[in-house]
Formats: sequence, structure tokens, C-alpha cells
Amino acid sequence: RKEVEQDPGPFNVPEGATVAFNCTYSNSASQSFFWYRQDCRKEPKLLMSVYSSGNEDGRFTAQLNRASQYISLLIRDSKLSDSATYLCVPWHNTDKLIFGTGTRLQVFP
Amino acid sequence: EAQVTQNPRYLITVTGKKLTVTCSQNMNHEYMSWYRQDPGLGLRQIYYSMNVEVTDKGDVPEGYKVSRKEKRNFPLILESPSPNQTSLYFCASSTRASNEKLFFGSGTQLSVL
Repeated sequence: RKEVEQDPGPFNVPEGATVAFNCTYSNSASQSFFWYRQDCRKEPKLLMSVYSSGNEDGRFTAQLNRASQYISLLIRDSKLSDSATYLCVPWHNTDKLIFGTGTRLQVFP
Repeated sequence: EAQVTQNPRYLITVTGKKLTVTCSQNMNHEYMSWYRQDPGLGLRQIYYSMNVEVTDKGDVPEGYKVSRKEKRNFPLILESPSPNQTSLYFCASSTRASNEKLFFGSGTQLSVL
């Protein structure tokens, strides 16, 4: 089983829609979780950090389910500018950050 | 402005010709790391460094070297590049790898012919 698994997508949604991605992780010792956003061929940028059960920032909500070992990212009222790839990153007390392969979101007018 | 600077942005070379990709950060970060990104494989860590003169292998270190002689610089060296090292490379830094934001450079697209 891969350490981090994400549905590659693409998720094609209209503007204004609500969309959710899941990310499953295999290491139950993972303590912190991050969602990064990456535009095509650009550098990843931190979107959200999740240290406990979840986090909310405007239209974005991240939720953690430790029992089932997954984290989700919910985007409400999707904008065209939300089109990007979203990378999931669980961390567990090492010097390595293992990135998921990402989920691609395409928001259309 | 806080930033991680990578150079060059694009590089085309031939098999066996040694090259260096530079990475510099101005945030006094202890932690620096190199990743390569390939379609379907995501970001994979090549090498990382926790501080000056401290470097460790990531998941895909074969064919690469790094050095950390100064805190701000972390160059990636390909002694004898091969076509399978054609990839998009990112340098990143943070205060710690664990729960601090990773700052990425703009990337280097390398093509080895």
C-alpha cells in the first residue's frame, strides 16, 4: 500500500459547486497533515495545516479521520481560480515529508 | 522579500556533462530539501539537510550529490546526468520539516539528452 494515496482526478466542477477530495495515509503515527496547492508546473504552496480534527479557512475546510486514516479537503463555492492540483502531505516525526501525487481540480464557467 | 531562489529555471544538457542547480534562501532556515517531480509519481525527495554540514538521503538519491557549506545555500549536483534524470526539480526550505511551512523555489526543468 502506498504511504499516501490520492485520487488523481481530474474533478471537473462548475463555478459555485462544492467539491471534496480525500487522501488516505498508511502510517498511523502521522501527527500533522498539510494540503498544498500546485498550479501547473509551478511550485507547491501551503494551503492548510491540520493538527487535530480539522481546520477551516474561508471556503476551505480540512477534516481528519484518524480511525479511518484519511483527511479530506472541502472547497465550497468553487472559483475558476481554484483550478489546480491539491497535494496531501502527512507527517510523522521524521525529517521526510511524503507528498501525495495530487488531485487535479478543474473549475469551469 | 522572503524567498527561495533556484537557478537556472530551464536547463538542457547532454548525458554525462556535470551540472549544478543552485538553491539559496534568505530566511535563515535550518532545513532545506530537494525534490523531483515526475508525472504520476508526485514529488519525491532526493536529499535534505537539517543544518550546515548535515545532509541525508531522501527516497531517490541515486545519481545526485548535495552540499551544505553555508546555511543559505544547498546546491544539487549531477556528476554524470542521464536521461532518466529529466524532471522538474524543486528546492524547499523551512525552519523545521515537521510542522512548519515549506517554502519552495520556482523550480528547474531539466532535460538530459
